[in-house]
Amino acid sequence: DTAVSQTPKYLVTQMGNDKSIKCEQNLGHDTMYWYKQDSKKFLKIMFSYNNKELIINETVPNRFSPKSPDKAHLNLHINSLELGDSAVYFCASSQGGAVNQPQHFGDGTRLSIL
Amino acid sequence: KQEVTQIPAALSVPEGENLVLNCSFTDSAIYNLQWFRQDPGKGLTSLLLIQSSQREQTSGRLNASLDKSSGRSTLYIAASQPGDSATYLCAASNYGGSQGNLIFGKGTKLSVKP
Repeated sequence: DTAVSQTPKYLVTQMGNDKSIKCEQNLGHDTMYWYKQDSKKFLKIMFSYNNKELIINETVPNRFSPKSPDKAHLNLHINSLELGDSAVYFCASSQGGAVNQPQHFGDGTRLSIL
Repeated sequence: KQEVTQIPAALSVPEGENLVLNCSFTDSAIYNLQWFRQDPGKGLTSLLLIQSSQREQTSGRLNASLDKSSGRSTLYIAASQPGDSATYLCAASNYGGSQGNLIFGKGTKLSVKP
């Protein structure tokens, strides 16, 4: 069973479109995250979220918004896509904010903007 | 602001060799230091998590050490195998902000030749 699953695996779309990436975890974790890995393979946190608190990295444009319908899901919605949004987006989860527990990652969604 | 650096960026070794990957961080106020493995086209797999109060963690052929005072961690891989070929990432989890947010290095790409 896949612990953290993301869909779609690949997403090709045009500039200006709005798109969503879905993430689900079946680990019973209380905290979920979104990371962006750029073309140079540098991985940076975008959001962390549990049922109490959303922490946003201040460098993330407000075109990006996480939406959590329930504890097991954290979807990423992106408005007005730009060329610079092309990257691999990873969802992750952990229990208790990963102070003592490792984060578990999905396989990523490769977003390409035409 | 935490910065994580990994040296070398790439490493190629013959099978069977013992090797060390290096990670340094600028802010010693960390909750933990984590090592991950990333295979091409895949997400990250957690290898070892060292809490700030610990000096090292071991799992099989892997041993990770942590020296907070000098801002360094090493990942030791014994008797390397071709299957160890991957990119290895270290990440620091800091006090302040979201406890679970990981600050990643850019990784060391390891190639183990048969």
